[in-house]
Amino acid sequence: NAGVTQTPKFRILKIGQSMTLQCAQDMNHNYMYWYRQDPGMGLKLIYYSVGAGITDKGEVPNGYNVSRSTTEDFPLRLELAAPSQTSVYFCASSEKTGGIGELFFGEGSRLTVL
Amino acid sequence: RKEVEQDPGPFNVPEGATVAFNCTYSNSASQSFFWYRQDCRKEPKLLMSVYSSGNEDGRFTAQLNRASQYISLLIRDSKLSDSATYLCVVEFSNSGYALNFGKGTSLLVTP
Repeated sequence: NAGVTQTPKFRILKIGQSMTLQCAQDMNHNYMYWYRQDPGMGLKLIYYSVGAGITDKGEVPNGYNVSRSTTEDFPLRLELAAPSQTSVYFCASSEKTGGIGELFFGEGSRLTVL
Repeated sequence: RKEVEQDPGPFNVPEGATVAFNCTYSNSASQSFFWYRQDCRKEPKLLMSVYSSGNEDGRFTAQLNRASQYISLLIRDSKLSDSATYLCVVEFSNSGYALNFGKGTSLLVTP
């Protein structure tokens, strides 16, 4: 039972570098989300998608981009990495279209920008 | 005012104790409420939904007070394995994105 799979689990970037965090789910969920979690803070929504081809900004989208070409995949792109993007990133998916229902999270990607 | 507020703790309790966590939310239009559990350096996982009439799942009881915009989680007969951070989560609408997470309350159950 794979659920939501994120890669990589750990990454160190230099300031100004770019990278893509991969997220894939095998539950045929329409809704997918990217959150970031800073130490001692609640999860903040970066971007979300309600289906293939549809994405929208969350609370903290600056410095990130997403795409949703398939139901399964929802990659998060970091352009010109900054130290403020050091965080743990969680991808999540959910089934319900009316009301969110249960979120299923990936194991997280720990990113450090130096 | 923060949208979802929780006492961060930590709550240190002995095994077998009863412990209660509280959460307040600012948006009176909130529609759905949840408690998630997050183990150290792990992803959050749904513990239970919170229904208007209150609901129980084994040793866990969740209560909702819409008038006071207040949610609670009660854990009875605490186990060592209950040690984790408990996240209060509030859905403000059915739009698919309006989930607000509290910062979490840390619980440590000691022998």
